[in-house]
Amino acid sequence: DIQMTQSPSSLSASVGDRVTITCRTSQSISNYLNWYQQKPGKAPKFLIYAASSLRDRVPSRFSGSGSGTDFTLTISDLQPEDFATYYCQQTYNTPRTFGQGTKVEIK
Amino acid sequence: EVQLVESGGGLVKPGGSLRLSCAASGFAFNHAWMSWVRQAPGKGLDWVGRIKSKTDGGTTDYAEPVKARFIISRDDSKNMLYLQMNSLKDDDTAVYFCTTIAGSARRGPLGYYYGMDVWGPGTTVTVSS
Repeated sequence: DIQMTQSPSSLSASVGDRVTITCRTSQSISNYLNWYQQKPGKAPKFLIYAASSLRDRVPSRFSGSGSGTDFTLTISDLQPEDFATYYCQQTYNTPRTFGQGTKVEIK
Repeated sequence: EVQLVESGGGLVKPGGSLRLSCAASGFAFNHAWMSWVRQAPGKGLDWVGRIKSKTDGGTTDYAEPVKARFIISRDDSKNMLYLQMNSLKDDDTAVYFCTTIAGSARRGPLGYYYGMDVWGPGTTVTVSS
């Protein structure tokens, strides 16, 4: 199975900050990498596919990059509704493994 | 409106069985690939497995921890997805989500890109004696 390692596990930031979350995979997955956002008590929301392509209606302050084994999710101009936990997921093969999550908290 | 609603969760003893259901509406369920994802209390997301549409073979794939214990099936005539869970263990305690699987319009070097697009609110399964 492909192992997914996100860093940091949590971070504190203020509204308006720029935040970067990293996801590293145990083997190369080309750009078969998704990002999801989950708020407490809610189901996850699909944000980004193919490492950098935003899903419909996802604000442009979200961006993704990377290829191979190293990927990043960046949130520029952090908004109050962005405080949540973010997960990466590989779709290179099955099982479709997730990272352990990064919690973005209010400073 | 595209909607998924899970049901069937509850308290079950270790070694017991439970069948979860997911009612789908607002889209062409018979053409959809579907998946189950779970989340243990206070933990991250854990992929359980997926089922392809019958036109794409209807095949299933599972995560290793549930292989041979869990079975994903579908009834396209009823727009229903199922997860039969047998030989349940304490570690199976989680909220179980059903999801649609969306494929991208463009292809990458290895084929289309897929992601878990629409999610249900989840149903809670507790395995405890």
